[in-house]
Amino acid sequence: RKEVEQDPGPFNVPEGATVAFNCTYSNSASQSFFWYRQDCRKEPKLLMSVYSSGNEDGRFTAQLNRASQYISLLIRDSKLSDSATYLCVVNLPYNFNKFYFGSGTKLNVKP
Amino acid sequence: NAGVTQTPKFRILKIGQSMTLQCAQDMNHNYMYWYRQDPGMGLKLIYYSVGAGITDKGEVPNGYNVSRSTTEDFPLRLELAAPSQTSVYFCASRHTDTGELFFGEGSRLTVL
Repeated sequence: RKEVEQDPGPFNVPEGATVAFNCTYSNSASQSFFWYRQDCRKEPKLLMSVYSSGNEDGRFTAQLNRASQYISLLIRDSKLSDSATYLCVVNLPYNFNKFYFGSGTKLNVKP
Repeated sequence: NAGVTQTPKFRILKIGQSMTLQCAQDMNHNYMYWYRQDPGMGLKLIYYSVGAGITDKGEVPNGYNVSRSTTEDFPLRLELAAPSQTSVYFCASRHTDTGELFFGEGSRLTVL
């Protein structure tokens, strides 16, 4: 079983739409969670960390559900520039130096 | 700040050749990583380092070697290249406090 699993999409949404992605993780003791954004043929860049109480950064909201072992990313008022692949990243507890990446969810925002 | 710098950006190798991918960071981060990303897949950890002189294997270390003689540099060596090593390779360093990973722009390697 993979450590981190994501729906690959693509999610095709119109500008202004609200879209949500989930990511499930297999190790219930996972410690740290992140969402990274990766543009086509570019390196991943941190979008936001995910805190236990949930957190918001502008149009982006991240949530953690430990009971069901998933994290979510909500994007409100989608922009064309939000089109990218969103990677879920988990840091495992027995080795804080290792990060495990999901395969990513592709988002296409259409005019 | 240059951040994380990788060279070369592109390379074509013949089967059996060897090469070194260079990675340097100027943020004084102790932790550094090498990942590979195959099309449509997530990043797989090849090797990582927690500081100069200390390295360890990740998920997919076979066919690769690393060294870490300084905090700044973390080169990845491919010995006896195989077509299965065709991939995009990313080097990253980690901010000690926030855990944020900073990536280089990637090195696209094709083995024919």
